[in-house]
Amino acid sequence: DTGVSQDPRHKITKRGQNVTFRCDPISEHNRLYWYRQTLGQGPEFLTYFQNEAQLEKSRLLSDRFSAERPKGSFSTLEIQRTEQGDSAMYLCASSLDTQYFGPGTRLTVL
Amino acid sequence: AQSVTQLGSHVSVSEGALVLLRCNYSSSVPPYLFWYVQYPNQGLQLLLKYTTGATLVKGINGFEAEFKKSETSFHLTKPSAHMSDAAEYFCAVTLSGGYNKLIFGAGTRLAVHP
Repeated sequence: DTGVSQDPRHKITKRGQNVTFRCDPISEHNRLYWYRQTLGQGPEFLTYFQNEAQLEKSRLLSDRFSAERPKGSFSTLEIQRTEQGDSAMYLCASSLDTQYFGPGTRLTVL
Repeated sequence: AQSVTQLGSHVSVSEGALVLLRCNYSSSVPPYLFWYVQYPNQGLQLLLKYTTGATLVKGINGFEAEFKKSETSFHLTKPSAHMSDAAEYFCAVTLSGGYNKLIFGAGTRLAVHP
């Protein structure tokens, strides 16, 4: 069991650029979640997938954000036209019942 | 709607002292409750969880938590703190079944001093 992996671990970008993050869940897990964590706060839910179906999206997920899980395995989270307020840690979790988290991708928007 | 309140954003204890991190939840349906720990620049690691059954739950690294429905609490304790326990701790709640999103508290940063 290799755990949840995320790539990249760190991303620095300029305001207005697009960024894409990848999450590889634990292999037998059918559910996959994305959360965002800002400094000094707990993670906040963004969206989740059961297999390839996106079943819930938070109001935090503006139209600049899009997530996919095309074959029910890995997932990508894309942010278009990044803003400084998007700077945060983006966490992915996968589950059969209990959610297990990856190491996160820290995004810094300059 | 569900919510979690963690009392005390910072807790400081001496090595060997009791650790008590407080968590109160709000839920209109029977909750599932979790404690996660986060070390700097890392993801969250599950410490323990309560689903159904025994209200005293034991987790990893000597931590335990007790579900008290009457007090809507799920406080985390450890009898004797170790330097390696210094980290951020998050309490979280989800609906029964555990398949839904986690609602996290704001976290408590635990410092352990010699």
